[in-house]
Amino acid sequence: ELKVEQNPLFLSMQEGKNYTIYCNYSTTSDRLYWYRQDPGKSLESLFVLLSNGAVKQEGRLMASLDTKARLSTLHITAAVHDLSATYFCAALTSGTYKYIFGTGTRLKVLA
Amino acid sequence: SAVISQKPSRDICQRGTSLTIQCQVDSQVTMMFWYRQQPGQSLTLIATANQGSEATYESGFVIDKFPISRPNLTFSTLTVSNMSPEDSSIYLCSVSAVANTGELFFGEGSRLTVL
Repeated sequence: ELKVEQNPLFLSMQEGKNYTIYCNYSTTSDRLYWYRQDPGKSLESLFVLLSNGAVKQEGRLMASLDTKARLSTLHITAAVHDLSATYFCAALTSGTYKYIFGTGTRLKVLA
Repeated sequence: SAVISQKPSRDICQRGTSLTIQCQVDSQVTMMFWYRQQPGQSLTLIATANQGSEATYESGFVIDKFPISRPNLTFSTLTVSNMSPEDSSIYLCSVSAVANTGELFFGEGSRLTVL
């Protein structure tokens, strides 16, 4: 059974700083997705990572995938307050086609 | 991408009653899923809605409690039956197209409060 874990669960950081959120998954998965959720809102798709070594960047966020290590990272560069949200990763199971979500990382960027 | 309309967006319900949530997609999609998100928690998959057949439920979720219909490729309903306060959650409809990137899109969610 596929399990997805994220760390840290909570992250409070100063504006201008860099940090990385980690997403580990327990069994083989070829696809990894990152989402953002603002309070009271639904989930917004950020990145789709489809193969080993995939790297995607949008603004101050960069996501990568290492399928051999079963690890994806979401790197935040020079954080700004607007990035405050909860970030989820999700892995797609092989064969049964289900999306399993990580525990989420609640990010707070302090001015 | 897909545009998903979900209703109701929120409701307050009495214990013991049932509520049906509707999910309409603007295009034909292969996969439709229903998730539950309890306050401050991650998303838990309830079931995969299968077109024209019974949904596939995850461990801990049963058809009697969460009956799901999917009569065609663009519409699905989830009913939360005999509700209790523990059912207070956000219920999210989501869709993906297998043939493409498999990106999962979400409706706005239905926030249920059971008194």
